[in-house]
Amino acid sequence: DAGVIQSPRHEVTEMGQEVTLRCKPISGHNSLFWYRQTMMRGLELLIYFNNNVPIDDSGMPEDRFSAKMPNASFSTLKIQPSEPRDSAVYFCASSFQSLPRLLVNEQYFGPGTRLTVT
Amino acid sequence: GQQLNQSPQSMFIQEGEDVSMNCTSSSIFNTWLWYKQDPGEGPVLLIALYKAGELTSNGRLTAQFGITRKDSFLNISASIPSDVGIYFCAGRIYNFNKFYFGSGTKLNVKP
Repeated sequence: DAGVIQSPRHEVTEMGQEVTLRCKPISGHNSLFWYRQTMMRGLELLIYFNNNVPIDDSGMPEDRFSAKMPNASFSTLKIQPSEPRDSAVYFCASSFQSLPRLLVNEQYFGPGTRLTVT
Repeated sequence: GQQLNQSPQSMFIQEGEDVSMNCTSSSIFNTWLWYKQDPGEGPVLLIALYKAGELTSNGRLTAQFGITRKDSFLNISASIPSDVGIYFCAGRIYNFNKFYFGSGTKLNVKP
């Protein structure tokens, strides 16, 4: 079975440009998470969706970041305009959340997108 | 936000040795996950724990959910070179739909 799919794997862009990262969660999963990983701050949760609805975006750094999940099989994370400090590896993860106990089962990560903003 | 303290930060061991690492939290968690991350890859789930006191194995890996619900341990027995990588713990508070991650333990294994 296919795992979480992310594209592109690498992105190099100039400061000020728009960047769009893409994620396809594991089929059947209903929760999707975007993380950012840097040496300084480790793994940070940016935003997560449940049943395509954003639930918690408190980790989104600022208004330059936005995320959408138009359907159960696709999500995007957009940075506009990008800045050098956005350089990091961005991971998407998915899981199946069962109700009513709101149990979040194991999260499975994609391979990540390494973003470099010059 | 929640703080997960993971230790040690890094380890240098000889092939064949056993390894132990742990995570502690100031909050009570009801789920603990352990991941391994290889360079250039995403974290891969190793073990999931859901009950206090639970002890779960995955090959040479064994993890335990601390009885206080505020800590978890991961042991690797008879380490081999392919165990090299960064190991992360992640914990979740009951009824909250997100995990908090430790800062990672970097494991180096000398052949």
